[in-house]
Amino acid sequence: DVKVTQSSRYLVKRTGEKVFLECVQDMDHENMFWYRQDPGLGLRLIYFSYDVKMKEKGDIPEGYSVSREKKERFSLILESASTNQTSMYLCASSLQGEGYGYTFGSGTRLTVV
Amino acid sequence: AQRVTQPEKLLSVFKGAPVELKCNYSYSGSPELFWYVQYSRQRLQLLLRHISRESIKGFTADLNKGETSFHLKKPFAQEEDSAMYYCALRRGANNLFFGTGTRLTVIP
Repeated sequence: DVKVTQSSRYLVKRTGEKVFLECVQDMDHENMFWYRQDPGLGLRLIYFSYDVKMKEKGDIPEGYSVSREKKERFSLILESASTNQTSMYLCASSLQGEGYGYTFGSGTRLTVV
Repeated sequence: AQRVTQPEKLLSVFKGAPVELKCNYSYSGSPELFWYVQYSRQRLQLLLRHISRESIKGFTADLNKGETSFHLKKPFAQEEDSAMYYCALRRGANNLFFGTGTRLTVIP
């Protein structure tokens, strides 16, 4: 019973390409998030959204953008991929309000060559 | 500014020994803290949250506002506890700030 689905498990892209990472949740959650996970750095928030068509910058938004046209879907876009964007990307969703934890997707490992 | 510090990147304990994973935080508001766990080849999942005051898989964590800590403890480690553990702090409306993680290895 997968709740948060990331479209690709592994992705290899060339420097300069535009890259789309897709995330879909089936729990009717208001909030959705994109993090990148790097060894020694933990999880760092890129962007999040608390409603359709709404987006907020996280801690490391540079080089990324997002799109949320439907409640269940949150896309991360790398406008022009660079090698320093090679990472594991995690999507998560949650209900609004205190006390609610995140449900994570299984991640997309992106390699930019 | 918020901060979550997990001072140990790696922690090894023997099976049956007590384990404590440290987490210290800095936050100007009222803190809400979580522990997340990632087992090998599995997705990151919520382990416990401080407001629930619950014990999950034998783990407990108490929020100590005086010491600004939220350490994760288990009296007797099991091999299946080997995993990556992240402490996280809720900030603002609803987003989490994560620590850098501690990889726990339980030695048989």
